Amino acid sequence: GNSVTQMEGPVTLSEEAFLTINCTYTATGYPSLFWYVQYPGEGLQLLLKATKADDKGSNKGFEATYRKETTSFHLEKGSVQVSDSAVYYCALRYGGATNKLIFGTGTLLAVQP
Amino acid sequence: SQTIHQWPATLVQPVGSPLSLECTVEGTSNPNLYWYRQAAGRGLQLLFYSVGIGQISSEVPQNLSASRPQDRQFILSSKKLLLSDSGFYLCAWVPLNTEAFFGQGTRLTVV
Repeated sequence: GNSVTQMEGPVTLSEEAFLTINCTYTATGYPSLFWYVQYPGEGLQLLLKATKADDKGSNKGFEATYRKETTSFHLEKGSVQVSDSAVYYCALRYGGATNKLIFGTGTLLAVQP
Repeated sequence: SQTIHQWPATLVQPVGSPLSLECTVEGTSNPNLYWYRQAAGRGLQLLFYSVGIGQISSEVPQNLSASRPQDRQFILSSKKLLLSDSGFYLCAWVPLNTEAFFGQGTRLTVV
């Protein structure tokens, strides 16, 4: 079935370090891929998305490229800030009548000053 | 405008008591609605989804049930809560071609 496998956390980085959070997926057809972020005490927010192979989603300095050949959608940021500390979820959405949104297990990122 | 409401925000319930969480959507008709749970130390797990009134699909076996009594209303219930039902419950509306909308979530603590 369709699923998302996400890098285990927590990930602890110093400010201005490079971030990568790995995400791979299993899906039939051509799902859309997403990264969501949940800041402490807040609701879930869409960070970025990609709807087809080779698309690059980007927002707030974060980027992820839809790689069909490796079934991956890794999240990257060149220089993290303390304010980036949050839980990051990789997700896929596949169509049909249900239009389900399937999440990975989430990765807690803690950025230290 | 399109919005999704979920309540209550927090809930403390004793073991064995019933549960009812409500989610409503505004600004659309026939939405696809979902209930997720985030247990401590775990990610968002899809519990139920509904594509229309009276249509419920369960993703995992559990002590919970869901109902869709009206087009824009989705209810999560339990007859008798267990300690393991504690967690963060999130309602979501996933339109076909736009971004998903999420409720603010309910923090349930079963004591």
